[in-house]
Amino acid sequence: AQSVAQPEDQVNVAEGNPLTVKCTYSVSGNPYLFWYVQYPNRGLQFLLKYITGDNLVKGSYGFEAEFNKSQTSFHLKKPSALVSDSALYFCAVRDGRAGTALIFGKGTTLSVSS
Amino acid sequence: NAGVTQTPKFQVLKTGQSMTLQCAQDMNHNSMYWYRQDPGMGLRLIYYSASEGTTDKGEVPNGYNVSRLNKREFSLRLESAAPSQTSVYFCASSESDRGASGGPQHFGDGTRLSIL
Repeated sequence: AQSVAQPEDQVNVAEGNPLTVKCTYSVSGNPYLFWYVQYPNRGLQFLLKYITGDNLVKGSYGFEAEFNKSQTSFHLKKPSALVSDSALYFCAVRDGRAGTALIFGKGTTLSVSS
Repeated sequence: NAGVTQTPKFQVLKTGQSMTLQCAQDMNHNSMYWYRQDPGMGLRLIYYSASEGTTDKGEVPNGYNVSRLNKREFSLRLESAAPSQTSVYFCASSESDRGASGGPQHFGDGTRLSIL
């Protein structure tokens, strides 16, 4: 069965520092991986996806993610964090049994301090 | 652009009451989904509709029913609400899967449901 894991409940970084939010996956077949962000009292917003091709995927708001097949990881990164990046981040993988539905990790709260 | 619209935004029910959560999208997407979000558990798929006229169970379908009314609208019904169904419910839509591509899902802002 497909699954993703986000090993950190919370990540704290100072503004201007690089940030990494970790995600590992377990899939049968090719992984279709996604990152979403959720701000308080809002729905999830799409950041980026990996389907195939380059291992470094660039997305919205300056975020990027690195796909690593050997480590089964898909970590979200940003070179310089902003206070406005503080939010809840979800990694997700396509659920091969349910069309294009997604299986989500439990989420990681990112807190960026000024 | 409205995107995905969910109504109501908040609702309080008593145990045993029924209600329908409404969802509509204006992006001409074929696929629609209902998820529930609970603290520390991420989002879990309740039901999905790959295309108009079809619906299928997801990971946690018990206690829920759905109707794909037309291409735009996908409703979720709680027939007899239970406290365990207290949650935030999200509707999402996406383009149909064609070949190997995976389109991103677009989410509504959620319905916060509390069952006493």
